[in-house]
Amino acid sequence: EIVLTQSPGTLSLSPGERATLSCRASQSVSSTYLGWYQQKPGQAPRLLIYGTSSRAPGIPDRFSGSGSGTDFTLTISRLEPEDFAVYYCQQYGSLLTFGGGTKVEIK
Amino acid sequence: QVQLQESGPGLVKPSQTLALTCTVSGGSISSDNYYWTWIRQHPGKGLEWIGYIFHSGSTYYNPSLKSRVTISVDTSKNQFSLNLTSVTAADTAVYYCARGGVTGTTYYWGQGTLVTVSS
Repeated sequence: EIVLTQSPGTLSLSPGERATLSCRASQSVSSTYLGWYQQKPGQAPRLLIYGTSSRAPGIPDRFSGSGSGTDFTLTISRLEPEDFAVYYCQQYGSLLTFGGGTKVEIK
Repeated sequence: QVQLQESGPGLVKPSQTLALTCTVSGGSISSDNYYWTWIRQHPGKGLEWIGYIFHSGSTYYNPSLKSRVTISVDTSKNQFSLNLTSVTAADTAVYYCARGGVTGTTYYWGQGTLVTVSS
């Protein structure tokens, strides 16, 4: 089973700042099978990034993904008020697992 | 526009079987290249994958739940279902159904349904 470890657990930032979220896998994951989701309270997760770096339809270009092997990153270039939420990474290379999440909160 | 809707009891007694159905509209559950999955979220916690199924009937389960989980598909009704046996309070969660694509990510999700295990 591939374990995904997300860091930090909580990120306290102000609107307009840059957010960098990390997802580390316990073994190598194909770039094709790494994605990122955003979840707000009371809502289902929303797909942001698939295939490590491709934005899902309707996702603004301030969201970007990068990485390879065991280290992946989600970057939000300039935080908008609606971006404060919890973010999860997910892998599909070996069954399916989610990371534990990073909460981006307003500082 | 593909839509998914979970249905089933919101309250299940301990030791009984949790049974949920996901109805898919706006697309065929028999489409190639997709998988149909169940994911749950314990109150205030992260996402936990339960299992997924292809329209062919091939299934894959989370090893930690495998002994208690069955996912099945009914192509005639465009539905897929989750059965989780011998439930305890630890199975109390919001249960989501979703559709996964070739890259493994899930673009379409149901709204989620809260299932509480309690006597």
